[in-house]
Amino acid sequence: AQRVTQPEKLLSVFKGAPVELKCNYSYSGSPELFWYVQYSRQRLQLLLRHISRESIKGFTADLNKGETSFHLKKPFAQEEDSAMYYCALSDQANSKLTFGKGITLSVRP
Amino acid sequence: DTGVSQDPRHKITKRGQNVTFRCDPISEHNRLYWYRQTLGQGPEFLTYFQNEAQLEKSRLLSDRFSAERPKGSFSTLEIQRTEQGDSAMYLCASSYGTSSYEQYFGPGTRLTVT
Repeated sequence: AQRVTQPEKLLSVFKGAPVELKCNYSYSGSPELFWYVQYSRQRLQLLLRHISRESIKGFTADLNKGETSFHLKKPFAQEEDSAMYYCALSDQANSKLTFGKGITLSVRP
Repeated sequence: DTGVSQDPRHKITKRGQNVTFRCDPISEHNRLYWYRQTLGQGPEFLTYFQNEAQLEKSRLLSDRFSAERPKGSFSTLEIQRTEQGDSAMYLCASSYGTSSYEQYFGPGTRLTVT
């Protein structure tokens, strides 16, 4: 069975500090990994996916198959990064998403 | 707004009543997904459609739940004989294509069963 683990519920940092949101997964095949974000009073939206290897809003995430991890990183946090972040895994066969429990990122001024 | 829409946004019902939610995907998106989210959890997959065909149902979807997408456009999710444990946010998402393309989420329908 596929599973996504986000070990922390809350991360609070000051503006300008580095951020790392942890995500570990369990999947027997070759998964696609995603980070979704939900800003206050907005709907869930895709932040980035591993296959595109992009940097979105300064965030990057590298898939480490050896450690089965897909941690989200940003070198300098901004107040507007405050949001709920979900790591998700997709079964390529049908593309349904398995989400972690999410982590609240709070960036203080 | 051309995004995914859901109706109603909030529903309060008494235990034992039936409820129906509607989702309108982005036009031309052939895949439509339903998820459920309870407090402190991430969204959990319920079911998905490719066009009008329902291709997979989660074991979370008991026989009190039924979903349809009759013409491959909008979808409905019905819960019969609601229970307090059904209280949750019900999310709809749509995507285009048959592989792992981006899913666009609606605002959700919050169900409260009293």
